[in-house]
Amino acid sequence: EAGVAQSPRYKIIEKRQSVAFWCNPISGHATLYWYQQILGQGPKLLIQFQNNGVVDDSQLPKDRFSAERLKGVDSTLKIQPAKLEDSAVYLCASSFRGRGETQYFGPGTRLLVL
Amino acid sequence: DQQVKQNSPSLSVQEGRISILNCDYTNSMFDYFLWYKKYPAEGPTFLISISSIKDKNEDGRFTVFLNKSAKHLSLHIVPSQPGDSAVYFCAATSSGNTGKLIFGQGTTLQVKP
Repeated sequence: EAGVAQSPRYKIIEKRQSVAFWCNPISGHATLYWYQQILGQGPKLLIQFQNNGVVDDSQLPKDRFSAERLKGVDSTLKIQPAKLEDSAVYLCASSFRGRGETQYFGPGTRLLVL
Repeated sequence: DQQVKQNSPSLSVQEGRISILNCDYTNSMFDYFLWYKKYPAEGPTFLISISSIKDKNEDGRFTVFLNKSAKHLSLHIVPSQPGDSAVYFCAATSSGNTGKLIFGQGTTLQVKP
């Protein structure tokens, strides 16, 4: 069974530029999560989708971050414009249904904002 | 507000000995706990979990203990192997909410040959 796929693996941009990350979850998984992991900290949830609907985006900085999962499968996360403090690893995870289940993570996208 | 805490940033043990990683939580609504292992440049990998209806769960060399009254859980690795060297994250969630995981800061385990 293929795992969670993410691209790109690394990205370097200058502040105020825009960037987009892509995630393809495990086949059949209805729930998709985007996490931000800053160096030295644990992952923090940015947004959670159930199929193509948003379940939780309470910690998403909506003035600059956006995410979509139009067909309920793959998802994109966008940052526009980027700030220095957005430098982090962006992790995508998926689970079969969501509540009370194990989440499986992709390899992450490491973003450096200069 | 750090709801899940791993107070030891790092731990070093000798190969073959026991590794004990600790995690404390504050939210009494948490009822499902997970441990993830993370190697550099990879995403976290699920290791083992425990539901709040249990106080112990074992999978091979890995055992997780849950003390609900103390709001404390621990991961025991016996015997420790050099390949276990990684960052270990404790995470918690409530089945009553969306399934959102709250992670601790991580503990870096080094197992010396």
